[in-house]
Amino acid sequence: EAGVTQFPSHSVIEKGQTVTLRCDPISGHDNLYWYRRVMGKEIKFLLHFVKESKQDESGMPNNRFLAERTGGTYSTLKVQPAELEDSGVYFCASSQGGGRQETQYFGPGTRLLVL
Amino acid sequence: KNQVEQSPQSLIILEGKNCTLQCNYTVSPFSNLRWYKQDTGRGPVSLTIMTFSENTKSNGRYTATLDADTKQSSLHITASQLSDSASYICVVSGSDSWGKLQFGAGTQVVVTP
Repeated sequence: EAGVTQFPSHSVIEKGQTVTLRCDPISGHDNLYWYRRVMGKEIKFLLHFVKESKQDESGMPNNRFLAERTGGTYSTLKVQPAELEDSGVYFCASSQGGGRQETQYFGPGTRLLVL
Repeated sequence: KNQVEQSPQSLIILEGKNCTLQCNYTVSPFSNLRWYKQDTGRGPVSLTIMTFSENTKSNGRYTATLDADTKQSSLHITASQLSDSASYICVVSGSDSWGKLQFGAGTQVVVTP
């Protein structure tokens, strides 16, 4: 069974440009999460989808970030326009159920560098 | 201030030796505590999950303990192997934040031959 996949693995863009990150969860997992780690900091929660609905988006830093999960399968995270402080590693995770003890399976991350 | 603090930041151990990593948290109300292993360039991989009623949980050579009263957890690695070299991250979930994990900064472990 394939794990969580993320695309691209790396992205280098200039300040002001737009970048779209994609996450494909494990097949059958209704719950999808986005996290990010900025340089020197711990991983932080961004948002949580249950199927196509946003369950919790309290971690989204500002309105330059837009996450979608149309059809409840893969998800995209768009940053527009990108700023220098958006640089970091963006992780996606998925879980089968939504219980608090559910294991979240992480993808390898997308490394974003904004110049 | 991060609600999940880990110590030490890093440690170097000889292959075959044991080591213990520490985690203190202030997340409240508490739901569960997880330990994840993250290899360089990879995503975190779950090792253990414990609720407040569980004191210890093992996964192979990894044993996690939890004291929900003092809000402390430890991860013990027995008979370390070179493949144990990684970052070990303590992650706490609050009962009022369904699905939202709060991460520590991690302990970087290097196992040398």
